[in-house]
Amino acid sequence: GEDVEQSLFLSVREGDSSVINCTYTDSSSTYLYWYKQEPGAGLQLLTYIFSNMDMKQDQRLTVLLNKKDKHLSLRIADTQTGDSAIYFCAESTLGGATNKLIFGTGTLLAVQP
Amino acid sequence: DGGITQSPKYLFRKEGQNVTLSCEQNLNHDAMYWYRQDPGQGLRLIYYSQIVNDFQKGDIAEGYSVSREKKESFPLTVTSAQKNPTAFYLCASSPARGPKNIQYFGAGTRLSVL
Repeated sequence: GEDVEQSLFLSVREGDSSVINCTYTDSSSTYLYWYKQEPGAGLQLLTYIFSNMDMKQDQRLTVLLNKKDKHLSLRIADTQTGDSAIYFCAESTLGGATNKLIFGTGTLLAVQP
Repeated sequence: DGGITQSPKYLFRKEGQNVTLSCEQNLNHDAMYWYRQDPGQGLRLIYYSQIVNDFQKGDIAEGYSVSREKKESFPLTVTSAQKNPTAFYLCASSPARGPKNIQYFGAGTRLSVL
């Protein structure tokens, strides 16, 4: 079945770059997403990438997709303390007449001042 | 402001009690979803609905029930059959079917057992 895996924790210093990694198993995934969750809050969509792309940049965020290895990464440049949160990757799968999002376990990013 | 409203923010359940979590959206989205979040386990899909008066079980539907009588509303009932209900519950909605399934989330309800 589909599975999305992420490392649980990442610690960086303020001003450094953060790279959060994700691997997925469903080769039919069409879109892949990054969501951010601040403490006690819902999920906020950060960015997404279509599976026929290998890179997408949006201000401080860079998404890299390696379809061959089924590996997705999110790079945050000049990481700030406000970036401290849990980051989820998710894949969109086509299952019959509907489609669902499969989420990873989330990576807790801790930014040290 | 358009968005998804979940209420209450905190909810306590007594033994043997059913409780209902509210989810309302004014985004005119067709699809709505309920997820359960436990520490270190990510989000697990409980139920989803693609259209009014229709819904499907997700991966962990046992002990839960839903209804979709209106496009804007998708309440979740946690029944007494759910033996471990303590979790953070998230409601989401998305505009339409299709591979680009961008889901928008509410702020969540934290359910605890007394």
